[in-house]
Amino acid sequence: DAGITQSPRHKVTETGTPVTLRCHQTENHRYMYWYRQDPGHGLRLIHYSYGVKDTDKGEVSDGYSVSRSKTEDFLLTLESATSSQTSVYFCAISDPQKGGYSNQPQHFGDGTRLSIL
Amino acid sequence: KQEVTQIPAALSVPEGENLVLNCSFTDSAIYNLQWFRQDPGKGLTSLLLIQSSQREQTSGRLNASLDKSSGRSTLYIAASQPGDSATYLCAVSREGNYKLTFGKGTLLTVNP
Repeated sequence: DAGITQSPRHKVTETGTPVTLRCHQTENHRYMYWYRQDPGHGLRLIHYSYGVKDTDKGEVSDGYSVSRSKTEDFLLTLESATSSQTSVYFCAISDPQKGGYSNQPQHFGDGTRLSIL
Repeated sequence: KQEVTQIPAALSVPEGENLVLNCSFTDSAIYNLQWFRQDPGKGLTSLLLIQSSQREQTSGRLNASLDKSSGRSTLYIAASQPGDSATYLCAVSREGNYKLTFGKGTLLTVNP
């Protein structure tokens, strides 16, 4: 399995509080991604990073910010959590430089289950 | 905007049966197509990746095909086993871009 660790694995918090989720990888992959998974919507991309301090928005980025100060860590922050952000959050990594651009699958962490009351 | 559809949403089969899962996408300008497996409470495990220039990929009892022009892919599972029970997801990436667009998945149950 790809070395991806998400923390925390579970979190319950209240509306309006800030929340930070961490994704740590040991594979030295260039690309890192944050997805959320919701019933009826499937997996949707929130933000992604293509290098240290290089990030871009995904499909559902409103209410979320990210930071990547080191290759191995990608942080997802909910500045003021809302109940609509209750979800399971997955981190993924990939590196197109390994074996050619189109040939590298994304590898996923085990997810963080976040409940906002 | 790319849309990915998976049919059926759920499938229940007896052990030993061969089965096909379907995936369709609306924009044929894809970079690659990936099939994943997700077990309850777990992350996604990559099963097969088909590059846009390829027609199929095989791994063990799994075979995935891609018809880019018609916007379709199938995942064929031979001689299904109870351990194959999981949700199967397909996802496509856009040419020149590595972001994935996912289907909602097919929940497969293989009954012993």
